[in-house]
Amino acid sequence: QKEVEQNSGPLSVPEGAIASLNCTYSDRGSQSFFWYRQYSGKSPELIMFIYSNGDKEDGRFTAQLNKASQYVSLLIRDSQPSDSATYLCAVNILSGNQFYFGTGTSLTVIP
Amino acid sequence: ETGVTQSPTHLIKTRGQQVTLRCSSQSGHNTVSWYQQALGQGPQFIFQYYREEENGRGNFPPRFSGLQFPNYSSELNVNALELDDSALYLCASSRSSENEKLFFGSGTQLSVL
Repeated sequence: QKEVEQNSGPLSVPEGAIASLNCTYSDRGSQSFFWYRQYSGKSPELIMFIYSNGDKEDGRFTAQLNKASQYVSLLIRDSQPSDSATYLCAVNILSGNQFYFGTGTSLTVIP
Repeated sequence: ETGVTQSPTHLIKTRGQQVTLRCSSQSGHNTVSWYQQALGQGPQFIFQYYREEENGRGNFPPRFSGLQFPNYSSELNVNALELDDSALYLCASSRSSENEKLFFGSGTQLSVL
């Protein structure tokens, strides 16, 4: 069983809509959760992190964490064509030095 | 863009050869991690270096080795290259006090023929 699972997509949303990206993880010892954005041919870029159950908002982005369900999500409000990228979910277990990444969800925002 | 730089950007090798990839960490960062990202996959942790010593290792064979230098830069060495080693190799730096916030370099695309 993979430590982190994401729907690979592709996910397409119209410009201005809300994009919802989901991620599940298998290790209940996971302590911190991250969302990275990766444009084609580029390296991953950290956009959000969350440690506690509930919601965390940063601009148009909201991360949601539910440790009981082992589920973390990313909402992108007012989606823009520039948001088109692959979004990687990453989990850090027991504040260690190893991050487990999902395979990523490809998002396309249609103008 | 992050201040993490990697070289070379692209590399072509043949099976059985050895390769060295280099990484300069962002200013103020003393920890370097290396990840392998195969096409269509998420990054996989190879190892991390802190204070010039290996500080954790993922599920990679011993032919993957590394170094960290006093200026916190790092090298990844891969011996006896195999076709499956073809991937994007990412270096990420962080502060030891904020080890969870990784800043990635632009990567080295390695092709093994």
